[in-house]
Amino acid sequence: DTGVSQDPRHKITKRGQNVTFRCDPISEHNRLYWYRQTLGQGPEFLTYFQNEAQLEKSRLLSDRFSAERPKGSFSTLEIQRTEQGDSAMYLCASSPGETDGYTFGSGTRLTVV
Amino acid sequence: AQSVTQLDSQVPVFEEAPVELRCNYSSSVSVYLFWYVQYPNQGLQLLLKYLSGSTLVKGINGFEAEFNKSQTSFHLRKPSVHISDTAEYFCAVSDWGGSEKLVFGKGTKLTVNP
Repeated sequence: DTGVSQDPRHKITKRGQNVTFRCDPISEHNRLYWYRQTLGQGPEFLTYFQNEAQLEKSRLLSDRFSAERPKGSFSTLEIQRTEQGDSAMYLCASSPGETDGYTFGSGTRLTVV
Repeated sequence: AQSVTQLDSQVPVFEEAPVELRCNYSSSVSVYLFWYVQYPNQGLQLLLKYLSGSTLVKGINGFEAEFNKSQTSFHLRKPSVHISDTAEYFCAVSDWGGSEKLVFGKGTKLTVNP
């Protein structure tokens, strides 16, 4: 098992463009989480899936953000019409159960110019 | 809503000294508590967790944490630190039987000096 993989590692985009990130969780983990981390802050929850069902979405998440996990395996996070305030590290994590803690990927660093 | 306060944003210590990183959470309901470590240019790794039972939990790399329900705290300790412990440490909490999301603190940057 190679852990949680995120692609790409870095993304630079112009303001107004759309971007999509991919996360491949540990195969036997049915829970998948997306977080965002900015400099000097802890990870901030965005959304989570149990299998293919999106069970919770942060109220802080604007409707420019959408996430999918179509077959209960990999997940994508799309940001439409990016803004400079979207610049952050986007973290994906997976877990087999509520009490197991998360395994995090290395993140995708987004820079909006 | 849950919140986590890590009282120190930076903690400098000398090698082989003891260290305590402080964490307080807001809710008085039953919770699960976690500490994660983030080494430079790496992802977050789970250090230890408290679910129930004994209030003293041991984790990897010689770290331990003590759950104190009355003070809503979960402080992380190590009796003797190494240079390699230099990293950022995050405390996180989730509600027992509630939302499964973890709420993280802002982190404490531990710097171990020779």
